[in-house]
Amino acid sequence: AQSVTQLGSHVSVSEGALVLLRCNYSSSVPPYLFWYVQYPNQGLQLLLKYTSAATLVKGINGFEAEFKKSETSFHLTKPSAHMSDAAEYFCAVTANRDDKIIFGKGTRLHILP
Amino acid sequence: EAGVAQSPRYKIIEKRQSVAFWCNPISGHATLYWYQQILGQGPKLLIQFQNNGVVDDSQLPKDRFSAERLKGVDSTLKIQPAKLEDSAVYLCASSLEYLASGSLETQYFGPGTRLLVL
Repeated sequence: AQSVTQLGSHVSVSEGALVLLRCNYSSSVPPYLFWYVQYPNQGLQLLLKYTSAATLVKGINGFEAEFKKSETSFHLTKPSAHMSDAAEYFCAVTANRDDKIIFGKGTRLHILP
Repeated sequence: EAGVAQSPRYKIIEKRQSVAFWCNPISGHATLYWYQQILGQGPKLLIQFQNNGVVDDSQLPKDRFSAERLKGVDSTLKIQPAKLEDSAVYLCASSLEYLASGSLETQYFGPGTRLLVL
């Protein structure tokens, strides 16, 4: 079975600082991985997805994530945080193209002025 | 392009009552998903439709939850009777294709219905 673990339910960074949200996955087969963002009172929005092509995936809003098989990680980064990045972020995994997506518990990102 | 629409946005009921949620996916999207998101957790898939057929309902508590998508467009999720632990946000999502690319197809989420069972 597939699963993801997001380290830290809350992360605070200063505006302009590096954003790093951690995600580790468990999968018996090569996984497909996703990052979603959820703004208050809104649905989820796909930031980026890894589908076994390039290991460094660029997404929307300046976010990117790197797939590291040796570390079973798919951490999300952004060089410079903006106040509008305050939201909840979910890492997700699926084992194959037709399987359901399994979401992590989420990390709430707080941006400090 | 209009997004995924859901109603109501909020609902408060007492335990053992019934409740229904409605979802209208993006026009032309063949696949529709219902998720349950309990506070502090990620979304959990309840049921997935391809047009008007069910392709995955393995995590749907079928003794109290039901869902339908009769004409392959909009969908209704019902809980009867509700329990306290059903308090959650119910998210609907849709995607363009299923058979071609499965879960890799981008899912577009609605704003959700927040249910509180007292």
